Amino acid sequence: GAGVSQSPRYKVTKRGQDVTLRCDPISSHATLYWYQQALGQGPEFLTYFNYEAQPDKSGLPSDRFSAERPEGSISTLTIQRTEQRDSAMYRCASSLEGQINTEAFFGQGTRLTVV
Amino acid sequence: AQSVTQLDSHVSVSEGTPVLLRCNYSSSYSPSLFWYVQHPNKGLQLLLKYTSAATLVKGINGFEAEFKKSETSFHLTKPSAHMSDAAEYFCVVSPRGSGNTGKLIFGQGTTLQVKP
Repeated sequence: GAGVSQSPRYKVTKRGQDVTLRCDPISSHATLYWYQQALGQGPEFLTYFNYEAQPDKSGLPSDRFSAERPEGSISTLTIQRTEQRDSAMYRCASSLEGQINTEAFFGQGTRLTVV
Repeated sequence: AQSVTQLDSHVSVSEGTPVLLRCNYSSSYSPSLFWYVQHPNKGLQLLLKYTSAATLVKGINGFEAEFKKSETSFHLTKPSAHMSDAAEYFCVVSPRGSGNTGKLIFGQGTTLQVKP
């Protein structure tokens, strides 16, 4: 696509429910990142993919968080048994490859609120 | 460990006056540095990046930043603020070194307010 697309834009869920967030990266981009941005903070790295491989998931805060990119394009981030502290903006970004000089293009994010 | 510190959480300027947003970084390796801007209800947009070429980097919309290794700083400047510059700005470091993935480490952000 023309840009990185995330859905839904807003999600309100009850504590204890599972949620799945979706990211559709720029079609030519091999690398895809997930970030979590709490209110008033900068984005924090969660995990990334090179195609379907997931070399680094060190930023996932607990085993309730998981991400997939089974065909190397669209990715999903799933949070199981949501807690209020999971409320944040979740941002997806993609780049041509995971190199230091390559610009990462960000989607508009999904605002998750756990009530 | 790599980190970024944005020295001001909020900066307010009048339209037509200079903008200075301050950023200091810490990195074990010679880093790549970026400034991103976030307008309300929009995604993060790259303003400019430093990747060990020229130390003075020019970006979009008249912004520029100077890499000063001795001061570990990468401050963002613009000679004359415009109302449309009002947004949140993030200083970002991408550490070099073995196993680097292009992972970005963000500062906490500086909100720029531009008054008419």
